Amino acid sequence: GESVGLHLPTLSVQEGDNSIINCAYSNSASDYFIWYKQESGKGPQFIIDIRSNMDKRQGQRVTVLLNKTVKHLSLQIAATQPGDSAVYFCAENNKNAGNMLTFGGGTRLMVKP
Amino acid sequence: KAGVTQTPRYLIKTRGQQVTLSCSPISGHRSVSWYQQTPGQGLQFLFEYFSETQRNKGNFPGRFSGRQFSNSRSEMNVSTLELGDSALYLCASRTTLYQETQYFGPGTRLLVL
Repeated sequence: GESVGLHLPTLSVQEGDNSIINCAYSNSASDYFIWYKQESGKGPQFIIDIRSNMDKRQGQRVTVLLNKTVKHLSLQIAATQPGDSAVYFCAENNKNAGNMLTFGGGTRLMVKP
Repeated sequence: KAGVTQTPRYLIKTRGQQVTLSCSPISGHRSVSWYQQTPGQGLQFLFEYFSETQRNKGNFPGRFSGRQFSNSRSEMNVSTLELGDSALYLCASRTTLYQETQYFGPGTRLLVL
């Protein structure tokens, strides 16, 4: 069954299109950020991370952008596939809070074939 | 390397009972964190253990407790279960308290009737 919220923001994209998932973080002192993907019935899976001394980092088909001025993080997925359908969470790390992750509420990505 | 494993995967209990969940971290990881995931509250941090000691704690009542063994395996216990404890309980591990990235297990889905 579905493991995350029923009222998550949802992004619906066509297969093959690019997806952009946004996240606003709360703590200007956070210095490390992660994106996780959570498929139905599974735990969150690490996708990509970025440190605050960078503003862009690329992985395989994914890119994370960090704008510290407005405390905004985005995840771009190129050529979105049905297997990308999941809930995506951003998390920020705060060294002043025991080096713990604080998670955002998540965005549901639905890919239409 | 095997990932984080959690047992059991599914559990049904009744109000007032207690439950124990188990987590085995990735080999070599000495820190284990527990999270509760619900539709209404999202991912909430319960506690973290490192070297058999609780290092960080979230804002949960004392009915929620945990422990860690010398082999880094961890258990969490919830006593006097309430309906609101129904959730997906996720375990995450990392090598040390200084590593920001946490890797999640598949979770234990607890239903309290």
